[in-house]
Amino acid sequence: GDSVTQMEGPVTLSEEAFLTINCTYTATGYPSLFWYVQYPGEGLQLLLKATKADDKGSNKGFEATYRKETTSFHLEKGSVQVSDSAVYFCALSERGSGNTGKLIFGQGTTLQVKP
Amino acid sequence: DVKVTQSSRYLVKRTGEKVFLECVQDMDHENMFWYRQDPGLGLRLIYFSYDVKMKEKGDIPEGYSVSREKKERFSLILESASTNQTSMYLCASSSTSRGSNQPQHFGDGTRLSIL
Repeated sequence: GDSVTQMEGPVTLSEEAFLTINCTYTATGYPSLFWYVQYPGEGLQLLLKATKADDKGSNKGFEATYRKETTSFHLEKGSVQVSDSAVYFCALSERGSGNTGKLIFGQGTTLQVKP
Repeated sequence: DVKVTQSSRYLVKRTGEKVFLECVQDMDHENMFWYRQDPGLGLRLIYFSYDVKMKEKGDIPEGYSVSREKKERFSLILESASTNQTSMYLCASSSTSRGSNQPQHFGDGTRLSIL
């Protein structure tokens, strides 16, 4: 079945460092891909999405490009801030489920940014 | 903005009790979901619903049931709570318009402790 694999955390960076969180997927067909962020004590918030190959999603300085050839959707940010400390989840939409909107989530990657 | 509201942020119950977790969304979404989130295990889908009175089992339905009598409300029921159901519970909703490209919108979660 469909699956999402994220790099294991925690990832610890200094403020203004470059961030990459790797995400690869296996899926039949052409899923949509999402990144969600969860700040401490809160639910998940949609960070960005891409719906087809070569699409680039972006939001709040974060970017991710839908790479069909490598089945990847890596999250990047050029300069992280302490306020970016959170758990990041990669997800794909499950096709062939009759528009039920089911998502498959990765395990989550914890990012800690130190001043 | 989509609002998904979970009835309690924190809940403490005793083993054997019947527990109700309530979730309401205000965007007329067709799909609603219940997840539990545990350290190291990511998000696991318990049940979801794609229409009023319709429900489908997710990956870990054992020990849970759900109810969707109205479109905006999706309830998770722990029939006889056990300590291994201590967890963070997250509710989400999504629209079926434009197919499976639609993201899920999450509530803030209910942290449930079973003593």
